Amino acid sequence: DAGVTQSPTHLIKTRGQQVTLRCSPKSGHDTVSWYQQALGQGPQFIFQYYEEEERQRGNFPDRFSGHQFPNYSSELNVNALLLGDSALYLCASSLETAGANVLTFGAGSRLTVL
Amino acid sequence: GENVEQHPSTLSVQEGDSAVIKCTYSDSASNYFPWYKQELGKRPQLIIDIRSNVGEKKDQRIAVTLNKTAKHFSLHITETQPEDSAVYFCAARVNYGGSQGNLIFGKGTKLSVKP
Repeated sequence: DAGVTQSPTHLIKTRGQQVTLRCSPKSGHDTVSWYQQALGQGPQFIFQYYEEEERQRGNFPDRFSGHQFPNYSSELNVNALLLGDSALYLCASSLETAGANVLTFGAGSRLTVL
Repeated sequence: GENVEQHPSTLSVQEGDSAVIKCTYSDSASNYFPWYKQELGKRPQLIIDIRSNVGEKKDQRIAVTLNKTAKHFSLHITETQPEDSAVYFCAARVNYGGSQGNLIFGKGTKLSVKP
């Protein structure tokens, strides 16, 4: 049973560019959440997708956008990259049923903005 | 919104000793409190969680306690081993209208277990 898979694992971009990160949830999961983890910090919530819609959003600008596909996979897009966007981007999946809301994390995509 | 404070930021213990990490949260509606372990360069992994209708939960050498009145919860690791060395994150979640809320994480505690 595959867990949460993310791609790419590492990438380097320059300021002003755009990036797309991808996530496949754990088999059987239908909800995808994205987190940004800066070096030495805890993960910060970006947004959550369920039934192909953004259901909740953290304190991130509109440069951060996402999508969920019918197969539950998800993408995170960041436009007009800033140096401060350099971080580990974690995708986490879960199942939207009462009491079954444990998050399973992927290994992350390490983004470096130069 | 919810805010989670975690202490200490670093903790060093001798192998075999106990380690305690404490977290406080601000939103009394939070009802789910997981703890994640993150080894260097790896994904956060759930090690134990507790729901608001329970005061304590134990799994072998790991235990979590929750005090809803004081809005704090703690992770206890007994008989620490070098492989327990990692960064530990606490988190809290509020579920809205039956839907899953997002997790709010603490800033992490770097635990070092000296052999």
